[in-house]
Amino acid sequence: DAKTTQPPSMDCAEGRAANLPCNHSTISGNEYVYWYRQIHSQGPQYIIHGLKNNETNEMASLIITEDRKSSTLILPHATLRDTAVYYCIVRVAPGVTGGGNKLTFGTGTQLKVEL
Amino acid sequence: GAGVSQSPRYKVAKRGQDVALRCDPISGHVSLFWYQQALGQGPEFLTYFQNEAQLDKSGLPSDRFFAERPEGSVSTLKIQRTQQEDSAVYLCASSPPGLATNEQFFGPGTRLTVL
Repeated sequence: DAKTTQPPSMDCAEGRAANLPCNHSTISGNEYVYWYRQIHSQGPQYIIHGLKNNETNEMASLIITEDRKSSTLILPHATLRDTAVYYCIVRVAPGVTGGGNKLTFGTGTQLKVEL
Repeated sequence: GAGVSQSPRYKVAKRGQDVALRCDPISGHVSLFWYQQALGQGPEFLTYFQNEAQLDKSGLPSDRFFAERPEGSVSTLKIQRTQQEDSAVYLCASSPPGLATNEQFFGPGTRLTVL
């Protein structure tokens, strides 16, 4: 799986949008971008994933650049409960030749949402 | 419905003791994963089951680590002759069948402290 690079920490004011960047310059054509987050003392939680198109769900939006070498996770209206470590993971989707099932986490971005 | 549960939530062991950590995945989930998370780090993959078959154990750090899932549901991670470097949070995750999002659902983890 391709390596990802994320800033170690970010701050965001409550109610504002939180934009978390991720670089994945060695991503392959069949690799997806996944985002998980881990709130303190809990297991990681899936947020969203995408291949090349921008994606949106009830939790967040994922913007992937045209060359797919970087992406941004957007939390449109951050709350205190969004304080967590956010992990950007690049992996091959299951069922694709050569795909694996495990998640390879880096050290992620510690997002702190403050009043 | 119930999520992934793990027991015990906390375990203190003396160096050299054997420990067994239990994971109850979400009912119907065929894939089960174990991860190890050291303090301040992201989770690291240990092993993967599809039903009762252990398809990948490449992440197990030594032959003191053993995992099983005999009936394709509950899984146990066993660590023999524990060492201080085994101190970590052990996370279990499960995944439903099908190719949809390949989202992994994580339990709260078991925090193992080896004295």
